[in-house]
Amino acid sequence: QKEVEQNSGPLSVPEGAIASLNCTYSDRVSQSFFWYRQYSGKSPELIMSIYSNGDKEDGRFTAQLNKASQYVSLLIRDSQPSDSATYLCAFNQAGTALIFGKGTTLSVSS
Amino acid sequence: DVKVTQSSRYLVKRTGEKVFLECVQDMDHENMFWYRQDPGLGLRLIYFSYDVKMKEKGDIPEGYSVSREKKERFSLILESASTNQTSMYLCASTKQATPEQYFGPGTRLTVT
Repeated sequence: QKEVEQNSGPLSVPEGAIASLNCTYSDRVSQSFFWYRQYSGKSPELIMSIYSNGDKEDGRFTAQLNKASQYVSLLIRDSQPSDSATYLCAFNQAGTALIFGKGTTLSVSS
Repeated sequence: DVKVTQSSRYLVKRTGEKVFLECVQDMDHENMFWYRQDPGLGLRLIYFSYDVKMKEKGDIPEGYSVSREKKERFSLILESASTNQTSMYLCASTKQATPEQYFGPGTRLTVT
């Protein structure tokens, strides 16, 4: 059974701080990893994808992948109240549908 | 930008009714997916399709069927709606061999 584990939170950080979201996955042959952001009542929005070990930066977001440890994380620098949402981690193997975690709720207080 | 649209944002149906949820994408994507999302259970895959007239069962296909007669349109059918099918239904699409999925706005279905 392929699984993704995320801490459900809520994770609370003050405005301007770094938020760190973590995810572990069960399938060693997984190739692609994704972070989605979902605001309450809305659909998931893709914010980061990462395919190789190491860091990938996009603006205030950094995704980190460690395939040996089966671990992927998302760092949000200079957190803003507008970052308050649920963050979903997902992975897939080639040619299959995505496997999603249940999400971590982030709350950024001003 | 990828655009995935769903026929209704909110829908209220009665137990036993046949329900059609429509999804349309405008980016010529080969792959389309139907999920439901429930509190505490996350996103669960119902059905997906890799091509016109092709369909594959996901993790929870019971009580649902799908139709894909045109590349841009993927329909989810609840043959006889039940109260345990009250949920948020999300459609997604992706280009062949690219795994990034793009979601529609969702349909919140209530079955009474």
